[in-house]
Amino acid sequence: AQKVTQAQTEISVVEKEDVTLDCVYETRDTTYYLFWYKQPPSGELVFLIRRNSFDEQNEISGRYSWNFQKSTSSFNFTITASQVVDSAVYFCALNAGNNRKLIWGLGTSLAVNP
Amino acid sequence: KAGVTQTPRYLIKTRGQQVTLSCSPISGHRSVSWYQQTPGQGLQFLFEYFSETQRNKGNFPGRFSGRQFSNSRSEMNVSTLELGDSALYLCASSWGDRANEQFFGPGTRLTVL
Repeated sequence: AQKVTQAQTEISVVEKEDVTLDCVYETRDTTYYLFWYKQPPSGELVFLIRRNSFDEQNEISGRYSWNFQKSTSSFNFTITASQVVDSAVYFCALNAGNNRKLIWGLGTSLAVNP
Repeated sequence: KAGVTQTPRYLIKTRGQQVTLSCSPISGHRSVSWYQQTPGQGLQFLFEYFSETQRNKGNFPGRFSGRQFSNSRSEMNVSTLELGDSALYLCASSWGDRANEQFFGPGTRLTVL
């Protein structure tokens, strides 16, 4: 079975704090892809990152960074020095098996307060 | 480059009616996927079309159907609407390979009364 778990339903931080959003996935496939998307209040999902199962290198993009650890089946997302504009719902998703559908976590709602 | 467009943005229907939602993918993208988003179930995959053929299907009843045209535009249809069909319906387009990121439209908010 394939599954994505985002244990944190809601997180509230004060601006400039660092925050980590957790994502744990389950799959028996050796080839799979992991994604993070952001859904701001406007509703449109915005792609943030894709990582394939053979690439465990961590990635940094500005204030965003991702930590992929196959040993713990986790793909965590950290925002450094958070800003109010980071307030959104963040989704982790998995593509595994010989198909193209995404399996989604339930999302983490992040509120960054001034 | 224009993004994914969905029409209409908002729709109110009553139980028993049917509805058709439309999605225009990014130019050049041949894959269109549909998702249903509800507060309780989150995002759930409905189906995916590639070059006018349905390639993948989620676990939804037969009341949910779709199609794709030669220009890659896609429509989804829901017949005999139920209250539980109230949701945000999202369309995503991609080049078609499973590794490709999907680009999402703004969604159609369907309310069934």
